[in-house]
Amino acid sequence: AQSVTQLDSHVSVSEGTPVLLRCNYSSSYSPSLFWYVQHPNKGLQLLLKYTSAATLVKGINGFEAEFKKSETSFHLTKPSAHMSDAAEYFCVVTPVKLGSGANNLFFGTGTRLTVIP
Amino acid sequence: DTGVSQDPRHKITKRGQNVTFRCDPISEHNRLYWYRQTLGQGPEFLTYFQNEAQLEKSRLLSDRFSAERPKGSFSTLEIQRTEQGDSAMYLCASSLESRPGLAGLVEQFFGPGTRLTVL
Repeated sequence: AQSVTQLDSHVSVSEGTPVLLRCNYSSSYSPSLFWYVQHPNKGLQLLLKYTSAATLVKGINGFEAEFKKSETSFHLTKPSAHMSDAAEYFCVVTPVKLGSGANNLFFGTGTRLTVIP
Repeated sequence: DTGVSQDPRHKITKRGQNVTFRCDPISEHNRLYWYRQTLGQGPEFLTYFQNEAQLEKSRLLSDRFSAERPKGSFSTLEIQRTEQGDSAMYLCASSLESRPGLAGLVEQFFGPGTRLTVL
């Protein structure tokens, strides 16, 4: 079975300070892991993905995440928050099963990031 | 705009009515997915198509829900006899699976969603 736990439903940071959004996963198979961002009235946008290559993944807008198998974690970080980063962030897992059909995405419950000017 | 589009963006209906949503995926994408997102939750998988074939349905998809992708391009999701519990954002996503078994490595592109409110 696949599942994702986002440890914080809401994170608030000041502009220019670091961002940390925490995510732990569970997967019966070698997982692919993603972070998506959802701005109000806009579609989900992929920030970055881990697919068993480098464990430190760099994404768009200065975000990065590190896959730690021993801790089953995939936390999202950014060195310096910008006002435009305020949004809902979803950690997502999908199993990579060779020869399988679907790759249903399993979403966490989301973390709302607020950036204080 | 060549992204995934959904229509309508908002739908308000009375309990018991039928509603239909449309999704137009990115044109060359062979996979199309439907998800449902309720307030305060992440999206949950409903069903997906490989070209015109519906290959998997979630247990969330009751008998009142039906989805089609008749020509392997756009898709429709119909809800019959709507209930207040159907109120949610319905999201469509598409992807291009070029090699079998690599679907887990491929990005899904999401549309803006259709927000359904059942009164």
